[in-house]
Amino acid sequence: NAGVTQTPKFRVLKTGQSMTLLCAQDMNHEYMYWYRQDPGMGLRLIHYSVGEGTTAKGEVPDGYNVSRLKKQNFLLGLESAAPSQTSVYFCASSHSANTGELFFGEGSRLTVL
Amino acid sequence: AQSVAQPEDQVNVAEGNPLTVKCTYSVSGNPYLFWYVQYPNRGLQFLLKYITGDNLVKGSYGFEAEFNKSQTSFHLKKPSALVSDSALYFCAVRGSGTASKLTFGTGTRLQVTL
Repeated sequence: NAGVTQTPKFRVLKTGQSMTLLCAQDMNHEYMYWYRQDPGMGLRLIHYSVGEGTTAKGEVPDGYNVSRLKKQNFLLGLESAAPSQTSVYFCASSHSANTGELFFGEGSRLTVL
Repeated sequence: AQSVAQPEDQVNVAEGNPLTVKCTYSVSGNPYLFWYVQYPNRGLQFLLKYITGDNLVKGSYGFEAEFNKSQTSFHLKKPSALVSDSALYFCAVRGSGTASKLTFGTGTRLQVTL
């Protein structure tokens, strides 16, 4: 069972470079999320999607863009990376808006120099 | 705005002893409450949730949590800790009127020693 798969798992960027993180889920979930995890701050929601073709901002959306062209995929883009975006990024999916638990990927560790 | 507080950065307990990891929350409307566990270099895994009904919720790996509406708390408990329970634990909340937005606490590291 693949569940939620994130690629790449590790990436090092220079300031100003761009990159895309890919999240794929095989559970036919409507809802998908991108979080970042930083020490002492827990998980913070970057962007989320309630269905194919829709996206919405979370609590820390600045500097990131997302797309949900296919139901199973949710892409997170950094157009011009900054050192403040050094973090571990987690994708998650859920079958329900309110009561469903989230299924998480293994994380993508991004370092911006 | 909804929020979650996990007042302890770390909880230390001896194997075989009971453990409690504390969580309090603030949310509009009825709360939907969750506990997740994270092992090193892994994603978060769902442990249990409270949606409605019985205030004592049982979950994976022998964990349980008690919902207390008057104290706005949802503490995680286990009667007998194992060394393998050592991990980072996150409490999370959604309000019934805030579809899709799950807010996490900052996490509590549980260290179980022999």
